[in-house]
Parts: sequence; C-alpha cells; structure tokens
Amino acid sequence: AQTVTQSQPEMSVQEAETVTLSCTYDTSESDYYLFWYKQPPSRQMILVIRQEAYKQQNATENRFSVNFQKAAKSFSLKISDSQLGDAAMYFCAYRNPWWDDMRFGAGTRLTVKP
Amino acid sequence: NAGVMQNPRHLVRRRGQEARLRCSPMKGHSHVYWYRQLPEEGLKFMVYLQKENIIDESGMPKERFSAEFPKEGPSILRIQQVVRGDSAAYFCASSPGPGIGGANVLTFGAGSRLTVL
Repeated sequence: AQTVTQSQPEMSVQEAETVTLSCTYDTSESDYYLFWYKQPPSRQMILVIRQEAYKQQNATENRFSVNFQKAAKSFSLKISDSQLGDAAMYFCAYRNPWWDDMRFGAGTRLTVKP
Repeated sequence: NAGVMQNPRHLVRRRGQEARLRCSPMKGHSHVYWYRQLPEEGLKFMVYLQKENIIDESGMPKERFSAEFPKEGPSILRIQQVVRGDSAAYFCASSPGPGIGGANVLTFGAGSRLTVL
C-alpha cells in the first residue's frame, strides 16, 4: 500500500516567488521522521529538510520550510525566493523510528521560470 | 502493480562475508538505480543500470562492490568481504528509461538494511 503520496507530479514557479509542494502520508506510528529530498539531474539525492514527528515546531532550512500537520498527516514543503538552481525532482519520504522502513512518494518535478 | 521489490529487507552478515541485495523493478521499467543511505545521512547514488548494461557507476566504491542487471531476473548489488562500514540501508529505484514518458520519475523500493557484525 502506498504510504507517502505526492499529488502534484509537476509544479512551476517564477524565479523569486514562493512555491509549496504537497505530501501526505499514512502511518499508525506516533513517532517517526519525515524528509524532503531534492534530486537534480546528477541523480544524487540531496536531503533538503527533515522533521521529527515529536517536534511541534516546523523545521526550517534557509529558504526551505515545512508545514507539518501531524493530525492531518500532511508534510508540505515551502520554497521561498525560488532560484533557478531549485529546479529538480523533489521526493517526500517517511521513515519509522527503527530505521527499518523508509517510504518515498512518487516525486514532484519543480520547474523554475526565469 | 507490485512496485519496486527489494529483498531481503534485513540482512545480517559477519565481517568478511558476502552480501547480495536484490531488486525487482516495476513492471515495464528497464532502468535500475542503487542508492546507499548511511545513518543520519541522505541517499548517495551508487550505480545506474539497464538490462545487461551499466550506464553509470560513478558512485560505486572501487573495490568489493559490484552490480548487475541481467536480461532475466532482478538486479543484484553484491558486496564482497563486508566490513562494518558497509552497514547501511540500500535503496533501489527504477524508471522506464530515457525517452519514455515519465522517464525521469524514479520509483523507490522500501530498501534493504545491511548490518555487519
């Protein structure tokens, strides 16, 4: 069964604008970890941001922030002041607390228009 | 649609033994990618294969690691003479291949966790 759902196969944003990528997940655990990965054409998977479920405060990393809604099982990524280098595939991922199960969403392709 | 299937989910080996991890891509996918995730780190690209051909192995360690994707059967990531530093989660992903709709979309398996004692 699909555990992580990214409902936006493609998104587009104007340079310097803000874009939000959606992610929902399904779990019966109360403690877990959530991630956003960026995959540029190099195929390397770059960790953008992570969130521990027990933390109520939303994680932020410079221009990247998340909106973590635990009750709704939602974990969206907001990219502010979008730059051309932000263009990539973005994967949302869930990991259980024992590090033995990690699930990825299908990905969202982000295009940044100059 | 069974998705990308990886097995075993968990593998325990002693130092010096061999580890074999298997990946069956999604139906219709002809390209396979292997990634390694060390604890607290992101996913590191290892190798990209299509059937009977290695496309890009720039992320593979020079020694002890090999990968194949035969004409029939799953892709295999093989680690010879394992050491403790090989302990990690190994993820496989597949795609339809370049030039085909959705070619750049990777579908990931659930991973195989290797523990070296």
